Amino acid sequence: DAGVIQSPRHEVTEMGQEVTLRCKPISGHNSLFWYRQTMMRGLELLIYFNNNVPIDDSGMPEDRFSAKMPNASFSTLKIQPSEPRDSAVYFCASSPWTENTEAFFGQGTRLTVV
Amino acid sequence: DAKTTQPPSMDCAEGRAANLPCNHSTISGNEYVYWYRQIHSQGPQYIIHGLKNNETNEMASLIITEDRKSSTLILPHATLRDTAVYYCIVRATTGTASKLTFGTGTRLQVTL
Repeated sequence: DAGVIQSPRHEVTEMGQEVTLRCKPISGHNSLFWYRQTMMRGLELLIYFNNNVPIDDSGMPEDRFSAKMPNASFSTLKIQPSEPRDSAVYFCASSPWTENTEAFFGQGTRLTVV
Repeated sequence: DAKTTQPPSMDCAEGRAANLPCNHSTISGNEYVYWYRQIHSQGPQYIIHGLKNNETNEMASLIITEDRKSSTLILPHATLRDTAVYYCIVRATTGTASKLTFGTGTRLQVTL
């Protein structure tokens, strides 16, 4: 198994543009997590899904952020419009289920908004 | 609302055991203790987890005190590749509390 796959690995965009980050979880995993990491705030959980349904989106910073999981093998995190303060590394993780198992993380997408 | 407390940094000589402490005095009966690490620029990596018994795997050992208010992660023979930020997390087994919430972790520097 190739692990959790995120794309793109790096994204540079101008302020005001729409940005879409993509994640392919490990096959068979039915829980998916989106995290954001910055030097100031560390690793923050933005949202997580169980069986493609959003369970907790309390970490989503504002309405500019949205996440979808249309099927078990794909998820997107969209920022529209993007702002410089959204610059961060965004990680996606998946696990077989939410209880008592480890989560496997992707390599992250480094987003720079100029 | 931090549920764990870890020292911000630690040093360890290569080949020696690295003992990383974590306090979780408000841990509930249905919460596990998880350890992850993050090597620079990579995604966090799972190390080990436990409920109340000590656990060991190929990477590390986890020692949990009898009252479960603290734990220690032990890397028996640290190498330079173990230099990373180590996160101690308490995580419930069910419901929304089963999400993984990271604190600030301990930055472990392994030196020659």
